[in-house]
This record gives sequence, C-alpha cells and structure tokens, in this order.
Amino acid sequence: GQQVMQIPQYQHVQEGEDFTTYCNSSTTLSNIQWYKQRPGGHPVFLIQLVKSGEVKKQKRLTFQFGEAKKNSSLHITATQTTDVGTYFCASSGNTGKLIFGQGTTLQVKP
Amino acid sequence: SQTIHQWPATLVQPVGSPLSLECTVEGTSNPNLYWYRQAAGRGLQLLFYSVGIGQISSEVPQNLSASRPQDRQFILSSKKLLLSDSGFYLCAWNWGVTEAFFGQGTRLTVV
Repeated sequence: GQQVMQIPQYQHVQEGEDFTTYCNSSTTLSNIQWYKQRPGGHPVFLIQLVKSGEVKKQKRLTFQFGEAKKNSSLHITATQTTDVGTYFCASSGNTGKLIFGQGTTLQVKP
Repeated sequence: SQTIHQWPATLVQPVGSPLSLECTVEGTSNPNLYWYRQAAGRGLQLLFYSVGIGQISSEVPQNLSASRPQDRQFILSSKKLLLSDSGFYLCAWNWGVTEAFFGQGTRLTVV
C-alpha cells in the first residue's frame, strides 16, 4: 500500500537556526499535505501541494513538492520557540485515504 | 462552519474492560471519517477509514473495531482492552482529497 517515509525523526536546533524535514515515497503522489502538532495537541493542517515542482511559502515556512511528485520538504527559516512541535506530511493517494508519515519532532533551544 | 467533537478527553481503563470512543461531525455531510492512534512520541497510525454509513476499512489487524451508524458519527470500540491499546486516539474528517480536520483526541491509558 501507499507509504510516505519522513526524516529525520527528531531535530534539535538553536533558536535562529534553520530546520528542514523531508518526506519520500516510492510511488507518485497525487498530493502532499503538511500538518503541525503542538505538544499535547492534535494535528493542524498547514498546506497542500498538488503540482509537480510546486513551491509555497507561509511566512518563514517553505514547502516544496518534487518534480517527480515522489518527495516533499518543509523548511523553516530562523526557527523560533513557537515552532516547537511535530511536523507530519500526509498524502491521500487516489483512494482519498489519508496516510501520514512518521513525523519529525522539532525542539528549539532558546 | 464544520466542527468535530471527540470524547472523552482522557480515559483510564483496566485491562479486559470494554471501550467506546465517540466522534461526531457537525456542519457537513458525507465526510470521510478516520480513526488514528498515536503512541507516545510516535507517528499517526491509521486504524479505520470510512467513506459512508456502514462502510469501514480496517487498516491494521488488532483488538479494536469501528462502526459508523450515522453519516456523521464514528465509534471506536473494543470488547476487551489490552495494555498495548494505550495511546492517543484521534478522530478526523475530510472530503475527498482535501485537508483533514482533527478532534481534540482521547488519551487512553490501560492499566
């Protein structure tokens, strides 16, 4: 079945440093979604990418969808303590069933 | 606007006891409904997926079952809980291939 692999599992950065998490699939993805889960909370949708090579920005966050639609990345510039949490990629494939990557937990040291 | 309700927020149950977690969605019709489980510090494991009343797809063989008696109601059940059933259970909904909206989650501890 459809799987999305996400790395790294954990990342500790100093406040002000950049952060990137990567999502990969062995099959072509119809779309990729990104979510953020704050400690103790539930995942909250950030963005969806559907086009090959698509790049979208939200303030300090940059989301990319690979040309082959098999990988995606989320990059945070100049992290802040408010960026702490777990970031998930997810894809609904052709069936609509939403499958999540394993998540990357970001810790930011002030 | 659409809202999703999930309860209870926390639950402590003894091994061997039954379980019933309920999730309801308001302000929408024909949603896709999901149950996920998240072990401490881990990812989201899809347990059940439903595209309509009485239509349940079980993703992982386990001690749990799900039912969708009404269009906007999704129930997660177990006849006898195991220690390994402990975790954070999340209900979610979406339409087609759009973004998912999650409930607040139920933190289940089996003792």
